[in-house]
Amino acid sequence: DTGVSQDPRHKITKRGQNVTFRCDPISEHNRLYWYRQTLGQGPEFLTYFQNEAQLEKSRLLSDRFSAERPKGSFSTLEIQRTEQGDSAMYLCASSLPVGSNTEAFFGQGTRLTVV
Amino acid sequence: AQSVTQLGSHVSVSEGALVLLRCNYSSSVPPYLFWYVQYPNQGLQLLLKYTSAATLVKGINGFEAEFKKSETSFHLTKPSAHMSDAAEYFCAVSEERGGNNRLAFGKGNQVVVIP
Repeated sequence: DTGVSQDPRHKITKRGQNVTFRCDPISEHNRLYWYRQTLGQGPEFLTYFQNEAQLEKSRLLSDRFSAERPKGSFSTLEIQRTEQGDSAMYLCASSLPVGSNTEAFFGQGTRLTVV
Repeated sequence: AQSVTQLGSHVSVSEGALVLLRCNYSSSVPPYLFWYVQYPNQGLQLLLKYTSAATLVKGINGFEAEFKKSETSFHLTKPSAHMSDAAEYFCAVSEERGGNNRLAFGKGNQVVVIP
C-alpha cells in the first residue's frame, strides 16, 4: 500500500463549472477525512466518514459541496458551480478506528484553481 | 472548541542553529497534540504526537516537543537546523477524545534555513 492517493493533483476550472476529486485511503483505514487549505492558512476540517457513513460536516461545507463514500473505500468530493473562493488545496486523510493507532495519514492533495 | 495558536508566520534560522516553533492550545479536555510538516505542493507528514504519555515527545528528523499543561503549550524544537528542514510546520489539536480524529490546525510557520 502506497498511502493515501488523491486524484487529480491539480485542477484548473472556470467559475461556474463543477469539479470532482477522488481520494483512495489506505486500505484498512475505515475513517476518511476531507480538509481544505487556503494560502497561508492551516488545513480546515470539512467532513469525515466512518466506513460509508458521513458522520460530520463542517459549516464550511456549503450546499455546493457534496462528499460521498459509497462502498466505504474511496471517496469523492464534488463542488458544484465553483467560485473563485473555492480555490484551495483539498486534502484527504485516513485513519484506523478510534482506540487503535489513530494517526491520520494525509494524501498529497488536489490543488484547485478557479479562474 | 479546541484551537491552536502559532505566532510568527515566517521563521528564519541559520543552518546549525536551534529551531524553536511555538504552539499554544486551548482545550476543554486533556488534549491530543500533533506537529505536522508540509513540503511545497505536498500533503502533511506527522512529525510527532502527544497522547497523554510522556510529556517530552521525540519525533522524526531530530525534532522533539514538550507538553506543558501549566503553560498550555507544545513547542517544537530541533537542536541544529539543516537545510532540509525548510518547510511549513503546523501544530494541531484533536477535537475528539481518543486520538487523531478531527484536527484543528494552527496557521503554520514557514521555516527558512539560512546557509
